[in-house]
Amino acid sequence: DGGITQSPKYLFRKEGQNVTLSCEQNLNHDAMYWYRQDPGQGLRLIYYSQIVNDFQKGDIAEGYSVSREKKESFPLTVTSAQKNPTAFYLCASSGSGFTDTQYFGPGTRLTVL
Amino acid sequence: AQSVAQPEDQVNVAEGNPLTVKCTYSVSGNPYLFWYVQYPNRGLQFLLKYITGDNLVKGSYGFEAEFNKSQTSFHLKKPSALVSDSALYFCAVRDPWGDSSYKLIFGSGTRLLVRP
Repeated sequence: DGGITQSPKYLFRKEGQNVTLSCEQNLNHDAMYWYRQDPGQGLRLIYYSQIVNDFQKGDIAEGYSVSREKKESFPLTVTSAQKNPTAFYLCASSGSGFTDTQYFGPGTRLTVL
Repeated sequence: AQSVAQPEDQVNVAEGNPLTVKCTYSVSGNPYLFWYVQYPNRGLQFLLKYITGDNLVKGSYGFEAEFNKSQTSFHLKKPSALVSDSALYFCAVRDPWGDSSYKLIFGSGTRLLVRP
């Protein structure tokens, strides 16, 4: 987990609220990613960014939004349009080469009340 | 379509015995392959990767994995399991020449339980 921080560790949301999950890295990585993890499933890509001020949708982007204003930061907003947001959210970062390894943060567990 | 299969939801092994966690993939060309481990309520930790070269890759904590192109497999192995190895293991593949070259595609995970 070293080098990538996520906050908060636990987050509770009421239905209809937007919430923002923080992800910061000090690894000087160009690329950053957001994944969602549900029990019994692998990780699914929500959004990714290969460079500052640019990002692309992953496989399950509906109901989520991101920004990449700084190289070290890639916040994820879970909007009220996301119908089933309860999950474990993982942020990752990597260098920009194809062989570069993705390193993960400790995760944020979001629960909708 | 690109995919990764981890055919066993759970693997049980006695401490001191060798362990194998299986992974097969469906990707055309020469993929890059990764193994990660996850402890409860934690992020994924990188164990090892295969890019090219020697088919046997050594990684962290005594783990190794063997790339077999003909069987499209990348099984994770350890000669002697520890109770502390009990965790959730994910195999992942990246197709650097495909349409989604940026993506890591993950298997559904295998829970390893090492009994004392």
